[in-house]
Amino acid sequence: DAGVIQSPRHEVTEMGQEVTLRCKPISGHNSLFWYRQTMMRGLELLIYFNNNVPIDDSGMPEDRFSAKMPNASFSTLKIQPSEPRDSAVYFCASSPIGGVSEAFFGQGTRLTVV
Amino acid sequence: EDQVTQSPEALRLQEGESSSLNCSYTVSGLRGLFWYRQDPGKGPEFLFTLYSAGEEKEKERLKATLTKKESFLHITAPKPEDSATYLCAVQRPNTDKLIFGTGTRLQVFP
Repeated sequence: DAGVIQSPRHEVTEMGQEVTLRCKPISGHNSLFWYRQTMMRGLELLIYFNNNVPIDDSGMPEDRFSAKMPNASFSTLKIQPSEPRDSAVYFCASSPIGGVSEAFFGQGTRLTVV
Repeated sequence: EDQVTQSPEALRLQEGESSSLNCSYTVSGLRGLFWYRQDPGKGPEFLFTLYSAGEEKEKERLKATLTKKESFLHITAPKPEDSATYLCAVQRPNTDKLIFGTGTRLQVFP
């Protein structure tokens, strides 16, 4: 298994532009998580899905952020419009649904908004 | 409010010098406590899951223990390749999400 796959690995964009981050979870995993990591705040959960349905989006900073999971093998996190304070590393993770189960992380997307 | 606190923030060890990292938590019930290792430029890598107080897990030079209020990651005779950031996370009942601490950055010098 290739693990959780994220793209792009790096993204540099200008303030005000739309940014889309992509994630392919591990096959058979029904839970998908989007995290943001910064030096100041560490790893913060933005949103998670179970069986493609958003369960908890309380960590989404504001309306500029949106996430979708159209099927079991693909999810996107979109920022529109982007701002310099959105600069961070964004991680996608997946796990089997329910029970006590560790989440497996992708390599992350480093976003820089200038 | 659920909270996970890790200490120290950073730790420098000489190769072979054993030590422990701490993760203290306040959470309404505990479904599981997780330890991860993160190398620079990479995603967190799963190490251990602990479910109940008194439980211990071992992997090579690492041993994780759990009490009702905290967890320790003991590193015995560390090597330079153990240098990384170690993250602790907790999971509450009836949810799949993990709440992470800010990590301990470990550096092991030869």
